[in-house]
Amino acid sequence: EADIYQTPRYLVIGTGKKITLECSQTMGHDKMYWYQQDPGMELHLIHYSYGVNSTEKGDLSSESTVSRIRTEHFPLTLESARPSHTSQYLCASSDRGQGGYTFGSGTRLTVV
Amino acid sequence: DAKTTQPPSMDCAEGRAANLPCNHSTISGNEYVYWYRQIHSQGPQYIIHGLKNNETNEMASLIITEDRKSSTLILPHATLRDTAVYYCIVRPWMDSSYKLIFGSGTRLLVRP
Repeated sequence: EADIYQTPRYLVIGTGKKITLECSQTMGHDKMYWYQQDPGMELHLIHYSYGVNSTEKGDLSSESTVSRIRTEHFPLTLESARPSHTSQYLCASSDRGQGGYTFGSGTRLTVV
Repeated sequence: DAKTTQPPSMDCAEGRAANLPCNHSTISGNEYVYWYRQIHSQGPQYIIHGLKNNETNEMASLIITEDRKSSTLILPHATLRDTAVYYCIVRPWMDSSYKLIFGSGTRLLVRP
């Protein structure tokens, strides 16, 4: 039973389009994260947030941007999609303690 | 942060125990060992974590050596659905700035 939701699950979009990937969690977690993963490759952290109005870039440089206006919502935006952005994007959240991360099912993005 | 070393791949027979090793020889006293798995590009799933005592839950057991330089994740009766990439990660205790960084993990194949 998922407590973190990502939409859409799959997205095929043309080059130059603006897209927003949605991520919402119902657990009240302060911390949220975006990871990017190409098929068969490692997960790379691209953005994270420790709370409302807090966002930071991760270890892998990304042309995407994020916002955190509400605790439960952490959308990722690409202003102008390119084929190089084709990948899977995974959202996660965690609480303040030592609990593990909870991941969403991911959005598989294809830019044509 | 302590780094971990895992074999790139392993296999076991269905119904048998799967023992996945992890070396973390530079682990610090305040770092926990976490295990996650990722089934076929789904979002990673938290399995178990521990500090120095052995831990068991409904999914697996975690055995940490006395010197804490290595650990073993045990799936007592592996099923085909346990085929996945398993990640061993160390993270500091109560470090609110810590971000989960995934390595390449161990690809476990459970054979019928």
